[in-house]
Amino acid sequence: GENVEQHPSTLSVQEGDSAVIKCTYSDSASNYFPWYKQELGKRPQLIIDIRSNVGEKKDQRIAVTLNKTAKHFSLHITETQPEDSAVYFCAASSRGNTPLVFGKGTRLSVIA
Amino acid sequence: DGGITQSPKYLFRKEGQNVTLSCEQNLNHDAMYWYRQDPGQGLRLIYYSQIVNDFQKGDIAEGYSVSREKKESFPLTVTSAQKNPTAFYLCATMLGGTDTQYFGPGTRLTVL
Repeated sequence: GENVEQHPSTLSVQEGDSAVIKCTYSDSASNYFPWYKQELGKRPQLIIDIRSNVGEKKDQRIAVTLNKTAKHFSLHITETQPEDSAVYFCAASSRGNTPLVFGKGTRLSVIA
Repeated sequence: DGGITQSPKYLFRKEGQNVTLSCEQNLNHDAMYWYRQDPGQGLRLIYYSQIVNDFQKGDIAEGYSVSREKKESFPLTVTSAQKNPTAFYLCATMLGGTDTQYFGPGTRLTVL
């Protein structure tokens, strides 16, 4: 089955700097890759996703890149702000209601 | 996300007791999922259901049971066979034919 590895497990950046979180996956059939943000004690919230037919997607300060050949995808957050501090999860799945397989998460701390 | 409710928000259980966690949705989504979250472990799939009266085991189903008698409801029972049940439990839903999962607010279960 699918296995998703996520790095780093913790990340501290200065406010205004960029943050990058990387994930690798094992199943070449996976074609949907979402990223979730979870604040302390809250539910995970979808922040951006990408499908296998594109290599990059951007939404304001957040971008995701996908390299299907290497089986890895990354989350990029630019101009970080204190409210970006949270745990971020990557995930992967193939189409058709297949359950998502999640990475173990990255705790991002943005230092003002 | 507002269309998914989980109750109770906090639950305390004595060892040896079965408890049932509620998950209800009014989004008319076909698929429903239960995840367990432990610190540093990410989200691990317990059970999922793609249609009424059908469900499949996830990666950590031992000690848990579910039912899907109605489209709107997917209750999870934590049995006394689950040795380490203290965790944050998240329910999620997905509309058929799409990829996006939406999470409920979660139930925090503590075994005393």
